[in-house]
Amino acid sequence: KAGVTQTPRYLIKTRGQQVTLSCSPISGHRSVSWYQQTPGQGLQFLFEYFSETQRNKGNFPGRFSGRQFSNSRSEMNVSTLELGDSALYLCASSSGPGQSYEQYFGPGTRLTVT
Amino acid sequence: QQQVKQSPQSLIVQKGGISIINCAYENTAFDYFPWYQQFPGKGPALLIAIRPDVSEKKEGRFTISFNKSAKQFSLHIMDSQPGDSATYFCAARGAGGTSYGKLTFGQGTILTVHP
Repeated sequence: KAGVTQTPRYLIKTRGQQVTLSCSPISGHRSVSWYQQTPGQGLQFLFEYFSETQRNKGNFPGRFSGRQFSNSRSEMNVSTLELGDSALYLCASSSGPGQSYEQYFGPGTRLTVT
Repeated sequence: QQQVKQSPQSLIVQKGGISIINCAYENTAFDYFPWYQQFPGKGPALLIAIRPDVSEKKEGRFTISFNKSAKQFSLHIMDSQPGDSATYFCAARGAGGTSYGKLTFGQGTILTVHP
């Protein structure tokens, strides 16, 4: 079974621009979560989608948004990029909410904002 | 705010030794405690996980010990190998309310195993 895939793997953007990152979950998985990883703040939860609905959201500004499609693929968008948005953005997929589901991470998208 | 505190920040162990990483959480509303291993340039990989109704879980050289009353859990790596050199993260999953299903991570431990 193929793992979680994220595209692109690396991205360089300028402050003020917007960016869209893509995540394809493991086949059969219906839940996708997004995390931001930085050296200073570590791994922080952004949001989770299940069956095209946002189930949970972390403490990030409204510039961070996401969506999920009917095939469970997910995208996250960051508008009006700031220097502090430079980070590794990780997507994790799971079978769905419940007592037994486990989250599996993709390789991440390294975003650099200049 | 729910938090998970992890220690030490870095750990150096000789090959064959035991690596021990500790985590403590501040809220009881967690129902699942996974450990992830991350190599440079890669995403975190699920290593082993435990539920709060179990005090210990072992998978190969990796063991989680869980102390519910102390709100602490730890990862033990037996017979540590240079290939185990990586960053390790503990996490706790929210059990309900607005945190249901959300993973809260510790700050990570950089493990170096010398040959």
